[in-house]
Amino acid sequence: AQSVSQHNHHVILSEAASLELGCNYSYGGTVNLFWYVQYPGQHLQLLLKYFSGDPLVKGIKGFEAEFIKSKFSFNLRKPSVQWSDTAEYFCAVNAAGGSQGNLIFGKGTKLSVKP
Amino acid sequence: DTAVSQTPKYLVTQMGNDKSIKCEQNLGHDTMYWYKQDSKKFLKIMFSYNNKELIINETVPNRFSPKSPDKAHLNLHINSLELGDSAVYFCASSQAGGATDTQYFGPGTRLTVL
Repeated sequence: AQSVSQHNHHVILSEAASLELGCNYSYGGTVNLFWYVQYPGQHLQLLLKYFSGDPLVKGIKGFEAEFIKSKFSFNLRKPSVQWSDTAEYFCAVNAAGGSQGNLIFGKGTKLSVKP
Repeated sequence: DTAVSQTPKYLVTQMGNDKSIKCEQNLGHDTMYWYKQDSKKFLKIMFSYNNKELIINETVPNRFSPKSPDKAHLNLHINSLELGDSAVYFCASSQAGGATDTQYFGPGTRLTVL
């Protein structure tokens, strides 16, 4: 069965620090990968997604993620965080080529950015 | 002009009651989903519907019954509520339900069962 691991439960950074949030998945086949963000009091929204092509994907608000197939990883990065990036970040995966959008989510990483 | 809306936002009820949560999307999408987020923020899919037909039905107690009157609406009815049903329930929609489609989420309904 597919699963997603986000090893960092809570990350605390100062503004302008660089960010990397880990995401590893477990699945033997080809996958599609997603990062969603949930700002305080708001709904989940898509940051970026990867399903084929360049493994370095750029998303909104300066975020990017790199798919490393050999490591089953899809880590999220941002070179310089802002206070407004404080949120919960969720990595998700589903089986590529499937006709269903059955997303499997990780448990999320809470990011707190100190001004 | 909210894309995916849910009502109510908060729902507090007693064990054993029956309750419904409504979801509507105005994006013209064909597929809608229900997810449950537990107290540890773990999000898990419950159901998905494509054009009013059930596509995904994960291992969910049959006390939970989704109903899709049309493709813009997917309501969740829960019978005989239990303490363990306390969670945040998110509705989502996507264009066609394909594996690469972006899912758009509603604001969530926080259900508390006393």
